[in-house]
Amino acid sequence: EAGVAQSPRYKIIEKRQSVAFWCNPISGHATLYWYQQILGQGPKLLIQFQNNGVVDDSQLPKDRFSAERLKGVDSTLKIQPAKLEDSAVYLCASSPNLWNEQYFGPGTRLTVT
Amino acid sequence: DAKTTQPNSMESNEEEPVHLPCNHSTISGTDYIHWYRQLPSQGPEYVIHGLTSNVNNRMASLAIAEDRKSSTLILHRATLRDAAVYYCILGGGSNYKLTFGKGTLLTVNP
Repeated sequence: EAGVAQSPRYKIIEKRQSVAFWCNPISGHATLYWYQQILGQGPKLLIQFQNNGVVDDSQLPKDRFSAERLKGVDSTLKIQPAKLEDSAVYLCASSPNLWNEQYFGPGTRLTVT
Repeated sequence: DAKTTQPNSMESNEEEPVHLPCNHSTISGTDYIHWYRQLPSQGPEYVIHGLTSNVNNRMASLAIAEDRKSSTLILHRATLRDAAVYYCILGGGSNYKLTFGKGTLLTVNP
């Protein structure tokens, strides 16, 4: 069974630029999550989708971050404009449903200079 | 969200058992206890979860105190590949949202 795929794996941008991350969850998984992990800390949930609807986006900085999950499969997370403090690893995870264990992708390491 | 308390770091020797503690004194009746681990440069990986009874799977065992205010993740024979950050997380309610803390960094010595 293929795992959660993310791209790109690494991205370096300057502050005030835009960036987008892509996630392809495990086939058939209804729930998709985006996390932000700053160095030395545990992952922080940014947004959670159930199929193509948002379940929780309470910690998403909506003035600069946006996410969508069209057709309830792939998802993109966008930052516009980026700030220095956005430097982190962005993790995508999926699960069969809300109550199942989560499977994480390898993450995208973002560096904002 | 109910909080968990874990030691910042622990050390173990290869092929010996490891007991990773977690305190969760404010756990609610519907909270499950989840354990994930994160190997270097990888995303977190599910290890085990339980509600009241002790649980076993191919990776580990989870021992839950009778009052549910603490739990212990048991790795029966540590290998070098078990070196990782281990997160103890309480999850429950309607969406099983996971709130990660800083976890315990486990070092396994050869």
